[in-house]
Amino acid sequence: DFVMTQSPDSLAVSLGERATINCKSSQSLLYSSNYKNYLAWYQQKPGQPPKLLIYWASTRESGVPDRFSGSGSGTDFTLTINSLQADDVAVYYCQQYYSSPPDFGPGTKVDIK
Amino acid sequence: EVQLVQSGAEVKKPGESLKISCRGSGYSFTTYWIGWVRQMPGKGLEWMGIIYPGDSDVRYSPSFQGQVTISVDNSISTTYLQWSSLKASDTAMYYCARSAVGRIGWLDSWGQGTMVTVSS
Repeated sequence: DFVMTQSPDSLAVSLGERATINCKSSQSLLYSSNYKNYLAWYQQKPGQPPKLLIYWASTRESGVPDRFSGSGSGTDFTLTINSLQADDVAVYYCQQYYSSPPDFGPGTKVDIK
Repeated sequence: EVQLVQSGAEVKKPGESLKISCRGSGYSFTTYWIGWVRQMPGKGLEWMGIIYPGDSDVRYSPSFQGQVTISVDNSISTTYLQWSSLKASDTAMYYCARSAVGRIGWLDSWGQGTMVTVSS
């Protein structure tokens, strides 16, 4: 099984500053045949369903602001939110889809400092 | 526009049965896998299982195998999640979501969620 961990559990960032969230997989999510990393990121605001932000570790979903970016490869990944806005307060989850079941990380809560 | 619309909140007693639904529209319903995700109160997301409406192929997470049943009715573009005997620990929000690519993929569209409360 793939075990997903995230750090930190929560963070508070000032408006306009950068938020960095880390996600680690117990096994590599890099598929050698296509050199793609099978990792997605989601945003869940209070009282709402999750929303897809990024897939293939770094491809932004249509309509997602470019202040959200994903990076990393293999077992270590990062979601960066540049110039944090009040609307970005949410819990962020990573998910691996390399293997079934495509489990999620435990989530990272982002607040305004 | 892709839409997944789920049935309303439910309040049930332990031991009762339940079937909740998720209706898809705005896309070719039979050609995308639809998954179910559990979120217990104040907790994270748990992938439960997934169904392919095209041939009703169903796969479950080992954690949920035998605990729930996923089914589909293509005539009304609807997938279902059901329990035969609810437990208090089934209290949670349940989301359906479309897998963008294949059986194991990222979830690009989500339903609004169905809150299930199980209490005596």
